[in-house]
Amino acid sequence: DTEVTQTPKHLVMGMTNKKSLKCEQHMGHRAMYWYKQKAKKPPELMFVYSYEKLSINESVPSRFSPECPNSSLLNLHLHALQPEDSALYLCASRSGQSSYNEQFFGPGTRLTVL
Amino acid sequence: AQSVTQPDIHITVSEGASLELRCNYSYGATPYLFWYVQSPGQGLQLLLKYFSGDTLVQGIKGFEAEFKRSQSSFNLRKPSVHWSDAAEYFCAHNDYKLSFGAGTTVTVRA
Repeated sequence: DTEVTQTPKHLVMGMTNKKSLKCEQHMGHRAMYWYKQKAKKPPELMFVYSYEKLSINESVPSRFSPECPNSSLLNLHLHALQPEDSALYLCASRSGQSSYNEQFFGPGTRLTVL
Repeated sequence: AQSVTQPDIHITVSEGASLELRCNYSYGATPYLFWYVQSPGQGLQLLLKYFSGDTLVQGIKGFEAEFKRSQSSFNLRKPSVHWSDAAEYFCAHNDYKLSFGAGTTVTVRA
């Protein structure tokens, strides 16, 4: 199984809502990532988890809260978002710490904040 | 700062014609370079990667890339494009994180 799955595919939420994005992989990868991608732009790294511990936070606002409950799951909790947070949110995983190991990406969650 | 640049924002190519996408990198040591493709509304798929060894790298979907240290380039090529190759292409360097180029949009005309 070389797949990263993300749910939901689409999400529309108001600025006062609380929602969560979910990412799952069963490849045994111990590094997992959240990216934000605006239209016609490359993905921007948000968070990195390594062995279920947060290792990198790229100065992301606190209205985004990541969680890694186990080695297969990665969540992104959303609260009090702004319209400019509307984007495609991509999850990825990587098999090892070597820079040669590629990241496997999920299909993304298309988020719209009203 | 380490970076990759993609000079071409948009390329239009006829179906069956050859395609070359440019990527330039700026590093001192040997870079870990990747090409990813993203179809509309989809995640990123790895086409190929380079770390060391043979400078001509074969990837999936009929793509290849050549690493040229003298030119600081890692250009992606395909001899004959198909309509399904229309997508966004990203060159990236991998260190503790993936650093992407701005991307090149490829349009394929019939």
